[in-house]
Amino acid sequence: GAGVSQSPSNKVTEKGKDVELRCDPISGHTALYWYRQSLGQGLEFLIYFQGNSAPDKSGLPSDRFSAERTGGSVSTLTIQRTQQEDSAVYLCASSRGTGGYNEQFFGPGTRLTVL
Amino acid sequence: AQSVAQPEDQVNVAEGNPLTVKCTYSVSGNPYLFWYVQYPNRGLQFLLKYITGDNLVKGSYGFEAEFNKSQTSFHLKKPSALVSDSALYFCAVRWVEDSSYKLIFGSGTRLLVRP
Repeated sequence: GAGVSQSPSNKVTEKGKDVELRCDPISGHTALYWYRQSLGQGLEFLIYFQGNSAPDKSGLPSDRFSAERTGGSVSTLTIQRTQQEDSAVYLCASSRGTGGYNEQFFGPGTRLTVL
Repeated sequence: AQSVAQPEDQVNVAEGNPLTVKCTYSVSGNPYLFWYVQYPNRGLQFLLKYITGDNLVKGSYGFEAEFNKSQTSFHLKKPSALVSDSALYFCAVRWVEDSSYKLIFGSGTRLLVRP
């Protein structure tokens, strides 16, 4: 089936505006993750959803960031009052079940540019 | 603190020669280890993983990696490099004892294979 999809692929916004990034995981994958990849840096964990359990929000950098996952499938990452330091590629990933040994499958990412 | 290190920012190798991309992890329990590759403007693609059992694991595109518990390493190798292997490679770790299932990524190593 299809892989993880993300939209939009690119987003340019002005400082102070809110943005929403969307992730469609692989069908049947119960775990969903958001990561951030800043220029020249590695990947930074943001948030993790597993089924109906409370999400692990430990990686969110500030209260301007939030995410939800509706119906155990599609997820939306929202950044309020964007700042220039929020510019990065936001990657979504999904995996099967609850086993920590399951590899994560990544989407192509959303490149966010805050002017 | 839990961490994974990729000590080389870039590795250069001639086509046809063997390649090694290094990865070490901090000792903090039992690890699950992963390698991912990222081509320009693309998401991360899973290459291989170590869960348990045989220390030598084989993955996609002819890559393999060896888990060495005494040296806390999981180096990525390929016997004969191709120009098309040029990309950014990430090592990632998750600990068996960690219930959050998030991946801790290294900073990435850029592999450049010259013709």
